[in-house]
Amino acid sequence: EAGVAQSPRYKIIEKRQSVAFWCNPISGHATLYWYQQILGQGPKLLIQFQNNGVVDDSQLPKDRFSAERLKGVDSTLKIQPAKLEDSAVYLCASSWRGSDTQYFGPGTRLTVL
Amino acid sequence: GEDVEQSLFLSVREGDSSVINCTYTDSSSTYLYWYKQEPGAGLQLLTYIFSNMDMKQDQRLTVLLNKKDKHLSLRIADTQTGDSAIYFCAETYKGGGNKLTFGTGTQLKVEL
Repeated sequence: EAGVAQSPRYKIIEKRQSVAFWCNPISGHATLYWYQQILGQGPKLLIQFQNNGVVDDSQLPKDRFSAERLKGVDSTLKIQPAKLEDSAVYLCASSWRGSDTQYFGPGTRLTVL
Repeated sequence: GEDVEQSLFLSVREGDSSVINCTYTDSSSTYLYWYKQEPGAGLQLLTYIFSNMDMKQDQRLTVLLNKKDKHLSLRIADTQTGDSAIYFCAETYKGGGNKLTFGTGTQLKVEL
């Protein structure tokens, strides 16, 4: 069974530029999560989708971050414009509907200069 | 709000047992998890325990849960150099949906 796929693996941009990350969850997983992991910290949830609907986006900085999951499968997370403090690893995870157990992708490491 | 704490570092010799500890504050935890993160990699689910259990064993891994003290531990028997990584404990809790709250991670270093 294929795991959670993410791309790109690494991205370097300058502040005020835009960036987008892509995630493909495990087949059949209805729930998809985006986490931000700053160096030296544990991951923090940004947004949770159930199919193509948002369940929790309370920690998403909505003035610059947006995410969508239009067909209930793949998802994109966008930052526009990026700030220095957005440098982090962005992790995507997925789970079966109603399950607490989440499976993580390899992450995208973003460096904002 | 919920808070999960871990010690930052642990160093053990190859072949010894490792014990990684975690404390949490939320009394309505449903599941507690241990994830492993190797350099440059995502999070690998190692094991989890339901909040009404005291212990779970899975090959070299033993999870102990003390609900009264809100303390979770992960014991790795016969620790190998391949076990060197950062270990995160995490919880889900009632009313939190399936949101995972992570600790800060414990870096395990296994020395020869």
